[in-house]
Amino acid sequence: EPEVTQTPSHQVTQMGQEVILRCVPISNHLYFYWYRQILGQKVEFLVSFYNNEISEKSEIFDDQFSVERPDGSNFTLKIRSTKLEDSAMYFCASSAEAVGGELFFGEGSRLTVL
Amino acid sequence: SQQGEEDPQALSIQEGENATMNCSYKTSINNLQWYRQNSGRGLVHLILIRSNEREKHSGRLRVTLDTSKKSSSLLITASRAADTASYFCATEYSGAGSYQLTFGKGTKLSVIP
Repeated sequence: EPEVTQTPSHQVTQMGQEVILRCVPISNHLYFYWYRQILGQKVEFLVSFYNNEISEKSEIFDDQFSVERPDGSNFTLKIRSTKLEDSAMYFCASSAEAVGGELFFGEGSRLTVL
Repeated sequence: SQQGEEDPQALSIQEGENATMNCSYKTSINNLQWYRQNSGRGLVHLILIRSNEREKHSGRLRVTLDTSKKSSSLLITASRAADTASYFCATEYSGAGSYQLTFGKGTKLSVIP
């Protein structure tokens, strides 16, 4: 069964460092998302991406964050200068439809900022 | 905010019993989805119910939607220990151009063997 894969599964970084989280969405999906979940809290929307551009982003997705689909298969989330409060599980998701579509989530990348 | 809120926050039942989780939201929606998350894992889609539907079944899952009360419930019948997980409702807002799902805080279900 097709699945969304994410790497790394866990990354530890120092505050102020740049981090890139990678995702390979399901191949025939057109809509891509990043969500995050701080430990013990709810899943929060960060950004949606379609047709090589951001469709929507939340207040969390400030100038320190960026997304890219560099090669037609990978979908990356970059955090330019990490802060302690960026520590969370980051989930990538993809869907075949924009509205009314099931989201398929990856297993997540746990980011720990020290 | 159209955020869904689940209730209860935590639920502990014996294997074989039914588990009911509720979700309330604030604004008009296109659809409401339920997801499951095992501890430390990704979210798995369980069921989607559209705003013009009132009830939907999938195996041991039954979801209802009451748009007049802006609420939904997820019923898991004949629960199993393997159903132990957190369950989240997620709403898709009916505003134009919105592609995000908004998740609630989740109900942590423990099924005791």
